[in-house]
Amino acid sequence: DTGVSQDPRHKITKRGQNVTFRCDPISEHNRLYWYRQTLGQGPEFLTYFQNEAQLEKSRLLSDRFSAERPKGSFSTLEIQRTEQGDSAMYLCASSFRKNTEAFFGQGTRLTVV
Amino acid sequence: RKEVEQDPGPFNVPEGATVAFNCTYSNSASQSFFWYRQDCRKEPKLLMSVYSSGNEDGRFTAQLNRASQYISLLIRDSKLSDSATYLCVVNTDKLIFGTGTRLQVFP
Repeated sequence: DTGVSQDPRHKITKRGQNVTFRCDPISEHNRLYWYRQTLGQGPEFLTYFQNEAQLEKSRLLSDRFSAERPKGSFSTLEIQRTEQGDSAMYLCASSFRKNTEAFFGQGTRLTVV
Repeated sequence: RKEVEQDPGPFNVPEGATVAFNCTYSNSASQSFFWYRQDCRKEPKLLMSVYSSGNEDGRFTAQLNRASQYISLLIRDSKLSDSATYLCVVNTDKLIFGTGTRLQVFP
């Protein structure tokens, strides 16, 4: 399967714990995006990378969120001191370059209890 | 004002009907445009890109009006399998999604 891969698919964590999600983009895709989606809403932009460079981080993100893309390949999204409001689907997408269509992974569903 | 606005619906239509969705965007510097389809609890999947000249893919037709900052999607001869949420996406260096329009096709 050469699509975008996300791990884990589901994560249940206690409030206050740290969680880390991984995304493996389609090979040779330079752009990688992270989104968050809650029920009834469209995907909300979190951050994106061009190769290993993080180009933008949403102002909506608190300092508890951090993302990396070492070596321009896979990416990780970490949430520190999770809160119940962090419960959502976290989606990763990749595209070949700027202004081209993006392809999504199946997402990581986070539940904070 | 949201960057990308869509009517959330739902649109309830019978099989065989023609249905149209509209979307407006606020950033006139937007570079590219797409429609994605999302089934319940699944990831968004690309339906089609939207070009200034308009484009058609089978029963689906997309139109872009840059002057009015308006995008549309027309679905002809609706099928039960078209039931989903349709997301309007605008690329301003990053992809910005609308909230989606829910379509329910009934027999």
